[in-house]
Amino acid sequence: AQKITQTQPGMFVQEKEAVTLDCTYDTSDQSYGLFWYKQPSSGEMIFLIYQGSYDEQNATEGRYSLNFQKARKSANLVISASQLGDSAMYFCAMRYTWGGRRALTFGSGTRLQVQP
Amino acid sequence: NAGVTQTPKFQVLKTGQSMTLQCAQDMNHNSMYWYRQDPGMGLRLIYYSASEGTTDKGEVPNGYNVSRLNKREFSLRLESAAPSQTSVYFCASSPHTGTGGLGEQYFGPGTRLTVT
Repeated sequence: AQKITQTQPGMFVQEKEAVTLDCTYDTSDQSYGLFWYKQPSSGEMIFLIYQGSYDEQNATEGRYSLNFQKARKSANLVISASQLGDSAMYFCAMRYTWGGRRALTFGSGTRLQVQP
Repeated sequence: NAGVTQTPKFQVLKTGQSMTLQCAQDMNHNSMYWYRQDPGMGLRLIYYSASEGTTDKGEVPNGYNVSRLNKREFSLRLESAAPSQTSVYFCASSPHTGTGGLGEQYFGPGTRLTVT
């Protein structure tokens, strides 16, 4: 069974500082993908960044980077130079497959608050 | 492009009533999904459709039925609503099916359902 664990229910960060949101995962699959989504207070889910299990380099998308440590089964999200608009819930998710189908399993999320 | 749209945005039902949540996507995606999000939890998969005419149960399918009417539309029906079905419901779509591509999903804005 696949499982995503996010151990930080809430985080605070000062504007312009960097912050790391933790994510660990459990899977017996060799091929999988890891995602981060942002959910602002308006409620929509926004896809931020993706890391494949065979990707050797950490993924980056603008101010977002994914610190992928395969042996430790962790996929932490790093946000550099935090902005007030980064305040939101952040969900880590893992792609899994079964019988040719695929879906995502999500962690419980981390609420990030950026302070001026 | 509107992306993924959901109707209604809000709904209040009495126990035992039925209703259908509508979802449509205009991105020509093959795969579509229904999730529910309960307070303090990540999203849990209710049903999945890899293509028109096919559906599969997810993690929490009990009490729900789905219809993949065509490539664009995927509806979720509650036949006899229960208070335990109070939740926020998200529809999502993905351009990828099977094992190809990243498998990222794009989400609608959600439907907030309350069952009294």
